[in-house]
Formats: sequence, structure tokens, C-alpha cells
Amino acid sequence: EAGVVQSPRYKIIEKKQPVAFWCNPISGHNTLYWYRQNLGQGPELLIRYENEEAVDDSQLPKDRFSAERLKGVDSTLKIQPAELGDSAVYLCASSRGRQGRHETQYFGPGTRLLVL
Amino acid sequence: QKEVEQDPGPLSVPEGAIVSLNCTYSNSAFQYFMWYRQYSRKGPELLMYTYSSGNKEDGRFTAQVDKSSKYISLFIRDSQPSDSATYLCAMSRNSGNTPLVFGKGTRLSVIA
Repeated sequence: EAGVVQSPRYKIIEKKQPVAFWCNPISGHNTLYWYRQNLGQGPELLIRYENEEAVDDSQLPKDRFSAERLKGVDSTLKIQPAELGDSAVYLCASSRGRQGRHETQYFGPGTRLLVL
Repeated sequence: QKEVEQDPGPLSVPEGAIVSLNCTYSNSAFQYFMWYRQYSRKGPELLMYTYSSGNKEDGRFTAQVDKSSKYISLFIRDSQPSDSATYLCAMSRNSGNTPLVFGKGTRLSVIA
């Protein structure tokens, strides 16, 4: 079974430039998460999707961040414009999405963003 | 105060040592407790999962949860150099697909 796929693995941009990250979850996983991991910190949730619906985006900075999950499979996270403080690792995770059961979240390798 | 506190280390031990990693938390609503291992430049991978209080053992790894003290632990017996990684504790409130709340992670080095 293929794991969560993310691209690109690394991205270096100048501040004020736009950037996009792509995630393909494990096949059959209905729930998709975007987390941000700052250096020396644990991951923090940005947004959670149940199929194509964003059900938890309270931590997403909506003035500059946007996300979409068209057709309920792969997802894109965008930052426009990027700021120096956005430098971090952006992790995508997925889980089966069965209600009433604890479901393991499987993480991708992350996209490491550096904003100069 | 953060919901989950974890000493970031770094922690350095000789091969074969017993390692103890800990987290404390403040939110009594947490019911599901996990330990993830993260190698350098990789995503976190689930090591252990425990529901409510109690112990769980898997090979060289033992997870303990004490909800009355809001304290969780991970023990690694006979530690190996391949155990060198960052260990993240994580918690969630409900079953299903609720987001995880992570600690900072503890960086562990096992020296051969």
C-alpha cells in the first residue's frame, strides 16, 4: 500500500511570493489533514477535510492561506503571499474516516518551506 | 500554558539503556494517547496508541497513561542506535478523526 505522497519535498521562495503544496492521501482514506511543524515543535493542525468538505479550519490563517480538496481525493494548500514566519514543514496526513472508531493518522514526508 | 508539555531534550543514552520519555497535559477531555516517532526529514509514524488509562506493551516499547495525574510515558528497553529519532506524544479528545494535539517532541540519540 502506497503511503501519503507529498510534493514538492523542498521549496525555497522569496517573501511575498506564492507557493503551493500538493498531497495525495492513502487510497480509500476519506479524512485528510494539513499540519504545520515549526522547527523544534510538534505538528499543529491547519485544516481537516472529510471527503471534499473542510470541517475544521479554525487554525488556518485565511488572509493568506487557502486549501482545496476537489473530488475528495488529493488536496492543495496555498500560501499567497508568503511571509518569513511561514518557513516550516507542511505535513499532510490521512485516515480512514470511520465514525465512532479511533483511526490512525498516517503522515507524508512533508514539504520543507524556506521563505527568504 | 500549552495543552501538552514535553521536554524537548536532547536525550543521549548508551546502547542497551532503558529510555523513559514523558508528557504532561492539562485538558482532561483527552482520551486517546499516542506516541509517534519522527526520523530526520521524515513524517511522524505511529509507534503506540492507548485508550484511557493503563499500560500497553509492544516488543521493546511500553506506553503508560495515568489520567489521574495527566501524565503519559513511553519506555524503550534495550535501546538501539536505530531508535535515534524525535519522539512526539499526541492526544485527541474523541474517537473518529479528531485532530491530534502534539507535544514538542523529545530528540533521542542512542550511542553505540
